[in-house]
Amino acid sequence: DTAVSQTPKYLVTQMGNDKSIKCEQNLGHDTMYWYKQDSKKFLKIMFSYNNKELIINETVPNRFSPKSPDKAHLNLHINSLELGDSAVYFCASSYIGGRHYSNEQFFGPGTRLTVL
Amino acid sequence: DAKTTQPPSMDCAEGRAANLPCNHSTISGNEYVYWYRQIHSQGPQYIIHGLKNNETNEMASLIITEDRKSSTLILPHATLRDTAVYYCIVRALNDMRFGAGTRLTVKP
Repeated sequence: DTAVSQTPKYLVTQMGNDKSIKCEQNLGHDTMYWYKQDSKKFLKIMFSYNNKELIINETVPNRFSPKSPDKAHLNLHINSLELGDSAVYFCASSYIGGRHYSNEQFFGPGTRLTVL
Repeated sequence: DAKTTQPPSMDCAEGRAANLPCNHSTISGNEYVYWYRQIHSQGPQYIIHGLKNNETNEMASLIITEDRKSSTLILPHATLRDTAVYYCIVRALNDMRFGAGTRLTVKP
């Protein structure tokens, strides 16, 4: 039944490691997103993919690399993790169709990443 | 770089209407006003959106002033489960810029 799911829910790792977070949506949407929510609770968009094509790429270190194997999945790989990468990462999805925007984005439950 | 201003916090009594204001004085003609909320540490949840007309759905009502420089989200009968951070967002395209939001606390 889960609309947008993320794995893992919690991720604790050492500085310098490489890790991946996975996201899947079963809503038939054509667009997926990654957001980062830091300790001050500000939620910022990082990436957006429409039909497996990157359409939004904010100023994010190139250690972060999104990968969309198909429309239902958008994974986030992070190389050489740093302390400042500790945050909650939210995946979201929406349906744009032929328009430039969608009305509603559906968010996943979040992945809490802690870098030690 | 959010384009909205909201009070940082508000309280509301259970069963009463909660009126959450938002200022967006620099809104452009093609930008919509969206409201989302985030309960505790869950993912944000869509509530409602509008362009210039007032809107209502099963969750809330959205009142947009005639000059579109401000809006109010109304939860008609607030419950304890409505305690959350409420975000007002203006956008034309697909990138949503969240501000700090308003932390609404519904009290018994």
